Amino acid sequence: DIQMTQSPSSLSASVGDRVTITCRASQSISRFLNWYQHKPGKAPKLLIYAASSLQSGVPSRFSGSGSGTDFTLTISSLQPEDFATYYCQQSYSTPTFGQGTKLEIK
Amino acid sequence: QVQLAQSGAEVKKPGASVKVSCKASGYTFTSYAMYWVRQAPGQRLEWMGWINAGNGNRKYSQKFQGRVTITRDTSASTAYMELSSLRSEDTAVYYCAREVATVTLYYFDSWGQGTLVTVSS
Repeated sequence: DIQMTQSPSSLSASVGDRVTITCRASQSISRFLNWYQHKPGKAPKLLIYAASSLQSGVPSRFSGSGSGTDFTLTISSLQPEDFATYYCQQSYSTPTFGQGTKLEIK
Repeated sequence: QVQLAQSGAEVKKPGASVKVSCKASGYTFTSYAMYWVRQAPGQRLEWMGWINAGNGNRKYSQKFQGRVTITRDTSASTAYMELSSLRSEDTAVYYCAREVATVTLYYFDSWGQGTLVTVSS
């Protein structure tokens, strides 16, 4: 299985901050990388697919980049509703997920 | 809009089986595959298996092979995941997720709300 490693595991930030989360794959996965947002008790929400394609309805402050083994999710200006846990997932082969990055209010 | 509504929380004893349902609405059920993913406490999301809701073809993760069965009822637009020989390590939230697939990539665009399964004696 392809291993996915996110950093940091947790992050404290303030409303209006620019935040970047990193995801690294154990082997090259081209651009087969998706990002999800997950709030407690809710269904996970797709944010970005194919490394940089914004899912319909997702605010443009979310963006993704990267290819090969290194990927980033950037939130350009944090909003109160963005505090959640974020997961990357590779779709190069059978799916595996990162361990998650918990974004908390500073 | 697409909705996946899962069945409610379950408490099971070790050795028992559990069957979780996922009722789809807002789209043509048989046009998409449905995945099952779980998250144990403190653990990452973990793929269990999937079913092609159209033709019924299935694939299971090696980790759960022999213990998991995924089925669907097209007349009810519902997918099911049954896990047998439960042990305490199977305590987790179980999710269904709709796969969107193209020739070159796939992703999960809609998820159920999750079903907590607790395994305890």
